[in-house]
Amino acid sequence: SQQGEEDPQALSIQEGENATMNCSYKTSINNLQWYRQNSGRGLVHLILIRSNEREKHSGRLRVTLDTSKKSSSLLITASRAADTASYFCATDGNAGNMLTFGGGTRLMVKP
Amino acid sequence: EADIYQTPRYLVIGTGKKITLECSQTMGHDKMYWYQQDPGMELHLIHYSYGVNSTEKGDLSSESTVSRIRTEHFPLTLESARPSHTSQYLCASSEQAGEAFFGQGTRLTVV
Repeated sequence: SQQGEEDPQALSIQEGENATMNCSYKTSINNLQWYRQNSGRGLVHLILIRSNEREKHSGRLRVTLDTSKKSSSLLITASRAADTASYFCATDGNAGNMLTFGGGTRLMVKP
Repeated sequence: EADIYQTPRYLVIGTGKKITLECSQTMGHDKMYWYQQDPGMELHLIHYSYGVNSTEKGDLSSESTVSRIRTEHFPLTLESARPSHTSQYLCASSEQAGEAFFGQGTRLTVV
């Protein structure tokens, strides 16, 4: 069973708008990570947030983590057409579990 | 740039053939993973390894097998390919609790 689930499954916005994606998970974690995947390619790591952190920034990306609700959000500010991709959250469990992924959010940014 | 490589990039084979998908990384990572992903869908963990001589089955039942004789090499083998094995296979590696690096994937079609 998948550890993480993303919401929404698909998101379409105009260039310049902000995009927010949410991720929920089920069990305790060491950290939560967000990845990006362009069509037909491998995944690229975007940002990692540890279980004792609540917010992290990287360029136009902002990630929050609420361990009490077992949820995380990824905000992309001032989106660009080049941000069009699928975004996945992944959790690294604290029982030596392997990295498990959610279903992803497919983001389309219209120029 | 991630130093993890998958070959072949694309493969079309007939039903019943034996195939091996190659994955190599030069980062010295202990953890390695194989994921199966249908186009536009979620990633399913099919095999993982904690290190040399360690292999485990993932969440998704798979008829494939893996081996980990060397740290840098984690090949996946299908003894008898079937059309239901048609999918994209993604290999990844990571340090103990850090970001995962993905290969470009092997797109397998079984006819």
